[in-house]
Amino acid sequence: QQQVKQSPQSLIVQKGGISIINCAYENTAFDYFPWYQQFPGKGPALLIAIRPDVSEKKEGRFTISFNKSAKQFSLHIMDSQPGDSATYFCAASMTGRRALTFGSGTRLQVQP
Amino acid sequence: DGGITQSPKYLFRKEGQNVTLSCEQNLNHDAMYWYRQDPGQGLRLIYYSQIVNDFQKGDIAEGYSVSREKKESFPLTVTSAQKNPTAFYLCASSLTGNTPYNEQFFGPGTRLTVL
Repeated sequence: QQQVKQSPQSLIVQKGGISIINCAYENTAFDYFPWYQQFPGKGPALLIAIRPDVSEKKEGRFTISFNKSAKQFSLHIMDSQPGDSATYFCAASMTGRRALTFGSGTRLQVQP
Repeated sequence: DGGITQSPKYLFRKEGQNVTLSCEQNLNHDAMYWYRQDPGQGLRLIYYSQIVNDFQKGDIAEGYSVSREKKESFPLTVTSAQKNPTAFYLCASSLTGNTPYNEQFFGPGTRLTVL
């Protein structure tokens, strides 16, 4: 079964701290791993994405770390800000089936 | 402005009724998708279409139907056969072909409530 498991379910971080969200997948055919950010009542928006030929990708304060052998990937938010408070979803897809398989989401709260 | 529009934003349905959710995109994307989101859960794929007049069932297609008569439109019908239709419905679109990333752009969603 195509599953993506995400943890933690919720996360509280102080302003300026590091937020870390983890995901694990089962299907080795997955070859695209995006992270989406969703604010209440809105559709998700792509935050950052990685393919398995690299182990890390950084865009501003957001970094994806990817461990192909462990079938795990994680999102790190450096210098977390109250405006980062949202729900974050990891996802995965494969060539030939472009629809995304999503994790269950992590609700991040950054306290001022 | 380019993007994806969904209507209505809120929809109320009586039990036994069929309702249709609209999704339109002007991004010139070939692929379109419908996802369902329940509180505290991730998005689950209902249907997707990679080309006009063709679509495939996703993981939770039972009780739903779609059509793809135009490239820019992908309406979703929630039928009376769907046992628990109350949810937040999200439409998305993406390019196909030799793109390095399969970025899906999402609409603002329709919240359906069964009374």
